[in-house]
Amino acid sequence: EAGVTQFPSHSVIEKGQTVTLRCDPISGHDNLYWYRRVMGKEIKFLLHFVKESKQDESGMPNNRFLAERTGGTYSTLKVQPAELEDSGVYFCASSGGTDTQYFGPGTRLTVL
Amino acid sequence: AQTVTQSQPEMSVQEAETVTLSCTYDTSESDYYLFWYKQPPSRQMILVIRQEAYKQQNATENRFSVNFQKAAKSFSLKISDSQLGDAAMYFCAYLPGANSKLTFGKGITLSVRP
Repeated sequence: EAGVTQFPSHSVIEKGQTVTLRCDPISGHDNLYWYRRVMGKEIKFLLHFVKESKQDESGMPNNRFLAERTGGTYSTLKVQPAELEDSGVYFCASSGGTDTQYFGPGTRLTVL
Repeated sequence: AQTVTQSQPEMSVQEAETVTLSCTYDTSESDYYLFWYKQPPSRQMILVIRQEAYKQQNATENRFSVNFQKAAKSFSLKISDSQLGDAAMYFCAYLPGANSKLTFGKGITLSVRP
């Protein structure tokens, strides 16, 4: 069974540009989560999808971040326009309705 | 709000020795879950062990075991017979219930000396 995958693994962009991160959850997992770790700080929750619906987006930092999960399968997280403080590692996780979340390898975003 | 504290930023252990990583948390809930995740330098975060708060028995997974002290809100991870492959960043995490968001500690970097 394939695990959670994320693309790209690393992205370097200039301030003001747009970046889109993608997450493919484990097949059949209705719950999809996005988290972010800024250098030296805790991993912080961003938002939670149940199928295609946003269950909890209380962790989204501002309206420059837009997450979608069309069809309840893969999800994208768009940052537009990117700012320096958006740099960090973005993790995606999925679960099949149990308490255990399975994480992807993360996308390292660097905003210059 | 729930918080998770990992006060030690780094630890080092000799190969084959035992090491204990500390974690405390704060919650007003009585039922919840606790986890230890491991993130090796390759960045894939892996679940090491989970504990259900309503179970008094400490969870074990091969060389990994926890010391869960519910009243003290403490959840430490013991790694026995440490191996070079155990070198990683370890995160303690709290979950109030299934289909909820995880709250993480800052993590601890564990190095293993050959």
